[in-house]
Amino acid sequence: KAGVTQTPRYLIKTRGQQVTLSCSPISGHRSVSWYQQTPGQGLQFLFEYFSETQRNKGNFPGRFSGRQFSNSRSEMNVSTLELGDSALYLCASSLAGLIGDTQYFGPGTRLTVL
Amino acid sequence: AQTVTQSQPEMSVQEAETVTLSCTYDTSENNYYLFWYKQPPSRQMILVIRQEAYKQQNATENRFSVNFQKAAKSFSLKISDSQLGDTAMYFCAFVRVSNTGKLIFGQGTTLQVKP
Repeated sequence: KAGVTQTPRYLIKTRGQQVTLSCSPISGHRSVSWYQQTPGQGLQFLFEYFSETQRNKGNFPGRFSGRQFSNSRSEMNVSTLELGDSALYLCASSLAGLIGDTQYFGPGTRLTVL
Repeated sequence: AQTVTQSQPEMSVQEAETVTLSCTYDTSENNYYLFWYKQPPSRQMILVIRQEAYKQQNATENRFSVNFQKAAKSFSLKISDSQLGDTAMYFCAFVRVSNTGKLIFGQGTTLQVKP
């Protein structure tokens, strides 16, 4: 079974631009969670989608948004990029997002904001 | 607020020896899961082991085992017979029943296995 895939793997943007990251979960998985990883803040939860609905949201500004499609693929959008948005963005999928479900991570998208 | 603390930013161990990574967490809930994830230099996060809070028996996966002390809110990871491929950053993580899709991570411990 193919793992979680994320595209693109690397991205360079300038301040003020917007960016869209994509995540394809493992086949059959319906929950997708997004995390931001930085050296200073570590791994922080952005949001989780299940069956096209946002079920959980972390403490990030409204510039960070996401959505999930009927095939469970998810996209994350960051508008008006700031230097501090430079990070590794990880997505993880799980079967149904239940407490006991393991989250399987993708390789991440490395975003650099200049 | 739920927090996860890993007090050892960096550790090293000789190949074939045993090492223990510590993790403490804080929660007022009774129903939760704990995880250890490994992130090698290639950056793909991999699940190492998980523990259900209501199970008293410590989880074991081959060379990896945990020491789960619920009352002390402690969840340490023991790696036996360390191998060079164990070199990675290790994250302790926590998820509670009321927020199932949200993993709360510790700051991570960088483990280097030396030949």
